[in-house]
Amino acid sequence: AQKITQTQPGMFVQEKEAVTLDCTYDTSDQSYGLFWYKQPSSGEMIFLIYQGSYDEQNATEGRYSLNFQKARKSANLVISASQLGDSAMYFCAMRGFSGGYNKLIFGAGTRLAVHP
Amino acid sequence: EADIYQTPRYLVIGTGKKITLECSQTMGHDKMYWYQQDPGMELHLIHYSYGVNSTEKGDLSSESTVSRIRTEHFPLTLESARPSHTSQYLCASSGIRGRNTEAFFGQGTRLTVV
Repeated sequence: AQKITQTQPGMFVQEKEAVTLDCTYDTSDQSYGLFWYKQPSSGEMIFLIYQGSYDEQNATEGRYSLNFQKARKSANLVISASQLGDSAMYFCAMRGFSGGYNKLIFGAGTRLAVHP
Repeated sequence: EADIYQTPRYLVIGTGKKITLECSQTMGHDKMYWYQQDPGMELHLIHYSYGVNSTEKGDLSSESTVSRIRTEHFPLTLESARPSHTSQYLCASSGIRGRNTEAFFGQGTRLTVV
């Protein structure tokens, strides 16, 4: 079975500081992808970053980086130089790439508040 | 730019009514998903489809049904709406161009059953 766990219901960070949002996962699939999405209060889902299970380097997209530790089954999101506009819900997601593991499932989310 | 559309954006309807939430995408994606989400809470997968005439139930049991007669269209139907169905419903799609293809989401439908 697949499962995503986000253990931080809420996080606070000072503007311009870095913050790490935790994500652990469980899957029997050997090939899978990990995603992070941002959901502002307006409700839309915004794709941030992707990491493939066979990618040797950690993914980076601008101020976002993904700290992928395959042996620990963790895929933490690091946001550098936080901005007020980063305040939102953040969801970690996973999709397997074979057979019945092709579902895209999400964790419970972490609400990030950026303070000036 | 994602091209996935959901209608209506907001719907208030009485108990017992039949409703259909529409979802269409113009990206030719084979995979489509429906999620149910209460405000500020987790996204629960209720239905997904790998392609035309292929639908599966998700992890969260739902009284809704779906169909996939055309690649671009994945409507969700509630035969008899109840107050417990009040929630936001998000539709998403993803393709097979490379393995790192993210899912694109529609704007969502906020359903209130009174």
